[in-house]
Amino acid sequence: DQQVKQNSPSLSVQEGRISILNCDYTNSMFDYFLWYKKYPAEGPTFLISISSIKDKNEDGRFTVFLNKSAKHLSLHIVPSQPGDSAVYFCAASPGGYNKLIFGAGTRLAVHP
Amino acid sequence: SQTIHQWPATLVQPVGSPLSLECTVEGTSNPNLYWYRQAAGRGLQLLFYSVGIGQISSEVPQNLSASRPQDRQFILSSKKLLLSDSGFYLCAWSERQGMNTEAFFGQGTRLTVV
Repeated sequence: DQQVKQNSPSLSVQEGRISILNCDYTNSMFDYFLWYKKYPAEGPTFLISISSIKDKNEDGRFTVFLNKSAKHLSLHIVPSQPGDSAVYFCAASPGGYNKLIFGAGTRLAVHP
Repeated sequence: SQTIHQWPATLVQPVGSPLSLECTVEGTSNPNLYWYRQAAGRGLQLLFYSVGIGQISSEVPQNLSASRPQDRQFILSSKKLLLSDSGFYLCAWSERQGMNTEAFFGQGTRLTVV
């Protein structure tokens, strides 16, 4: 049973435009959400996170939005750059633990 | 600063052979430690996590085991590898203090069972 779902396996965006990556979760116990970026043959690197007490968190070009009632979060990248091309993983953690459950990932391609 | 080391980077092993992957963390104490696997075209699956020496929790039934002989050392093992054990294995750590912290990953080990 997939508790964290990324239903879009890939996304293609033009450089300078907005990239929107989506993630849905099913477990109501999740209260901390993260986004990771991964290049081939490397470990994921942390991008941005959000606690369930917030609905938005920004860090430079990256903004994460959380809709608890819909059990949905999204990552916005504005403006998108070719260096953003990678696989993006959504992850969630249940309260009291730091055990991260990951989605299947979305491959983002930013083209000139 | 904290660093995580994972080795080897790549490994080709025959079916039925044993496996030992090692991971060490520097610059922190009492970390939570994790083993994840990424199968081809799949997401990251949590295999094991540990909150202390000798304390291992298994997330999925499988052909693998984990051990934590020292505070900052985490080992992934198998007595007899299966073809289905092929994948990209990632070790990670997070701070134990505090509830909401990110996990930091090693560079991964590409295991191919032939």
